[in-house]
Amino acid sequence: QPALTQPASVSGSPGQSITISCTGTSSDVGGYNRVSWYQQHPGKAPKVIIYDVSERPSGVSHRFSGSKSGNTASLTISGLQAEDEADYYCSSYTSSFTYVFGTGTRVNVL
Amino acid sequence: EVQLVDSGGGLVQPGGSLRLSCAVSGFVFDNAAMNWVRQAPGKGLEWVSSISPSGGSRYYADSVKGRFTISRDNVQSTLYLLMNSLRGDDTAVYYCAKEVGWGSPTFDHWGQGSLVTVSA
Repeated sequence: QPALTQPASVSGSPGQSITISCTGTSSDVGGYNRVSWYQQHPGKAPKVIIYDVSERPSGVSHRFSGSKSGNTASLTISGLQAEDEADYYCSSYTSSFTYVFGTGTRVNVL
Repeated sequence: EVQLVDSGGGLVQPGGSLRLSCAVSGFVFDNAAMNWVRQAPGKGLEWVSSISPSGGSRYYADSVKGRFTISRDNVQSTLYLLMNSLRGDDTAVYYCAKEVGWGSPTFDHWGQGSLVTVSA
């Protein structure tokens, strides 16, 4: 199961909005509304920030939002803050009853 | 408080075996699907395996199928990963992760990670 495709890095200035894409196939992202997004700071375990495409867990900032169109899911971070600088990964359920992660995106706050 | 404590990592020679453990507390273990996720040094996350709450359903990534076995002890509230025929590309930090529900990659609690190094 090949990894979902994400851009290697995305940059933005404080206060700006950025969007990270996550492209799969009809056998994963496109076939199910079961896409999650994770934030990982260096040396830490990942933290779920979006699940089921667009749902936000309790305690996660409203600045994080998710969406999906066809085989591509997207994560938008609004009002970018210094603390958002981290690695971000998407993940999807697949038709093989397994899960697959994206290649990961480093967010840089300029 | 939910806690997942990974253990069992270490240095192993190529072709060797290792068993990882994940001791959990703070939630009803036999109601939760569990997963193993790994991260090679400087690389991204890779899903490894999942197991249903009863242990009756188990799934594996193609990269470990036939070599790794996931299991659980619902009495001891412990998750395991038995790794055989280890290779250099299995070198990674291995995290156990609790799944919300079953069939959605929503992992709401993670262990601290256990480093496995495969080297001669």
